Amino acid sequence: GNSVTQMEGPVTLSEEAFLTINCTYTATGYPSLFWYVQYPGEGLQLLLKATKADDKGSNKGFEATYRKETTSFHLEKGSVQVSDSAVYFCALSDKYSSASKIIFGSGTRLSIRP
Amino acid sequence: DAGVTQSPTHLIKTRGQQVTLRCSPKSGHDTVSWYQQALGQGPQFIFQYYEEEERQRGNFPDRFSGHQFPNYSSELNVNALLLGDSALYLCASSFRAELSYEQYFGPGTRLTVT
Repeated sequence: GNSVTQMEGPVTLSEEAFLTINCTYTATGYPSLFWYVQYPGEGLQLLLKATKADDKGSNKGFEATYRKETTSFHLEKGSVQVSDSAVYFCALSDKYSSASKIIFGSGTRLSIRP
Repeated sequence: DAGVTQSPTHLIKTRGQQVTLRCSPKSGHDTVSWYQQALGQGPQFIFQYYEEEERQRGNFPDRFSGHQFPNYSSELNVNALLLGDSALYLCASSFRAELSYEQYFGPGTRLTVT
């Protein structure tokens, strides 16, 4: 079945450091890929998405590129801030619809030191 | 415009009891999905409701059941609670005909089974 594997945390960085959180997936067909973020005490928010190979999703300085050849969707940010501290989830949806179920990775907790 | 709302925020139940969680979707949305997020894990899909019927179901036992009302709000019922049912239960809403991939998540209900 479809699945998502992401880098285990926690990840601790200093402010302004470069961030990479690795994510790989297993899926039949052509899934849509997402990164969700969960801030302390809040629900999940969609951070960015990509719907086909070589698409780059971007938002709030974060980027991820849909790499079909390596089945990866790594999250990157050039200069992290304390406010980026949260749990990040890589996810996929196997159908072209907002009503399809989402399959999540186990999450990566990110802590940024001032 | 209110987003997805869930009630209650927190709940403590005893093993063997039954619980009902509630969700109101974002205005304009007609589809509700439920997810279970155990501590330190990613959310797992439970089921989805559209037009008052269960449309998709994840790998959860029949103890988990749901309902959707004509106003699109939804309930999640869990019978014969087990200690392992302790988790954050997330509701997500979407508009089925919209090909935007995005599901909007509520803040969740934290269920503790003792």
